[in-house]
Amino acid sequence: KNQVEQSPQSLIILEGKNCTLQCNYTVSPFSNLRWYKQDTGRGPVSLTIMTFSENTKSNGRYTATLDADTKQSSLHITASQLSDSASYICVVSDLLVGRGGADGLTFGKGTHLIIQP
Amino acid sequence: GAGVSQSPSNKVTEKGKDVELRCDPISGHTALYWYRQSLGQGLEFLIYFQGNSAPDKSGLPSDRFSAERTGGSVSTLTIQRTQQEDSAVYLCASSLGRVSSGNTIYFGEGSWLTVV
Repeated sequence: KNQVEQSPQSLIILEGKNCTLQCNYTVSPFSNLRWYKQDTGRGPVSLTIMTFSENTKSNGRYTATLDADTKQSSLHITASQLSDSASYICVVSDLLVGRGGADGLTFGKGTHLIIQP
Repeated sequence: GAGVSQSPSNKVTEKGKDVELRCDPISGHTALYWYRQSLGQGLEFLIYFQGNSAPDKSGLPSDRFSAERTGGSVSTLTIQRTQQEDSAVYLCASSLGRVSSGNTIYFGEGSWLTVV
């Protein structure tokens, strides 16, 4: 069964500090991995997408890494800001076209990040 | 439209009543998804449409839930005889094509349903 596990479940850090969120998956065959940011009361917004051949991708202060061999991804946030407070969701897609069931998407439960001033 | 539009944004209903939630996807997006998110929980897949057909409805939690999509565009999620455990945010999302091909899913802001 495809699974996506995220850690930590929640995290509190001071404004200006860095943090790293983890995502481990067992999805196979792997197609791509996305990180989404979900502000409280809002829908998730895509931060980055990682394909099999990509190891690192940056989007401003957000840097995602992917190790397809160990099936791990991380999202690093640099110089955190209060607006970074949100849930960060890891979503993994598999390659099986026509699989059904959400078009092969497996969602993690998210990491709830709180930035304190 | 510019983004995925959902209505109503908030709905309070009495237990036992039927509710209908609407999703207007981004123009041209063939894939449409419905998810449910309870307070503090992860996203729970409900149903996925490719065009007007739903390849898999197995995520719908009970036969009180149904969804349809017409004209390859607007979709409605209907909950009959609502129960308190149906209280959640119902998120709709759409994508240009299959996500396994690298397409991004774009989410709406959700419909907040409270059953009292």
